[in-house]
Amino acid sequence: SQQGEEDPQALSIQEGENATMNCSYKTSINNLQWYRQNSGRGLVHLILIRSNEREKHSGRLRVTLDTSKKSSSLLITASRAADTASYFCATPSRSSGTYKYIFGTGTRLKVLA
Amino acid sequence: EPEVTQTPSHQVTQMGQEVILRCVPISNHLYFYWYRQILGQKVEFLVSFYNNEISEKSEIFDDQFSVERPDGSNFTLKIRSTKLEDSAMYFCASKYAVANDIQYFGAGTRLSVL
Repeated sequence: SQQGEEDPQALSIQEGENATMNCSYKTSINNLQWYRQNSGRGLVHLILIRSNEREKHSGRLRVTLDTSKKSSSLLITASRAADTASYFCATPSRSSGTYKYIFGTGTRLKVLA
Repeated sequence: EPEVTQTPSHQVTQMGQEVILRCVPISNHLYFYWYRQILGQKVEFLVSFYNNEISEKSEIFDDQFSVERPDGSNFTLKIRSTKLEDSAMYFCASKYAVANDIQYFGAGTRLSVL
């Protein structure tokens, strides 16, 4: 299976609720990034977490990284309709000589007003 | 904060035409990448470039594609004769060092082939 797989594939919540998305990866990494993408638009960088960090916050975002389980989670607190988007994790592939990034298939989040 | 910039944000072209997508990586970065995302699918690696040559390419990156760093600041992706299936978002990325370093992505160019 692929490096960087998110779950769930789709998530629908009410405004004000929290949204949690998970990402699993296969090989060891030194960093992991989360991106948001509105439908048909470009990537918006959300947060980067390094392998020596366990948790990182940015505004309403909280990212955790568990290198022993090879997993990361993205929590969006107090969600808003504007958070409706797809969320991707991306990890560098060490099997690649140039450490290309591998993206997951993403979680499609829908926040209902 | 320095960023990778891509132009144009949206490019429309006719099938069979050549297109050049442009990227300005972060100024002191040495490694450059192009990725592609067909609508509704994953972001996929196309090619990496270092020291003025391709270091790695995927099976997607066939003879229709080429990359160039023409002037030390821009990094371009050329598609010689576009096909309908080339319609996608194209993302440029750059980083400073090869191994333990972070890639920074541009916001992307949407290519529409009619």
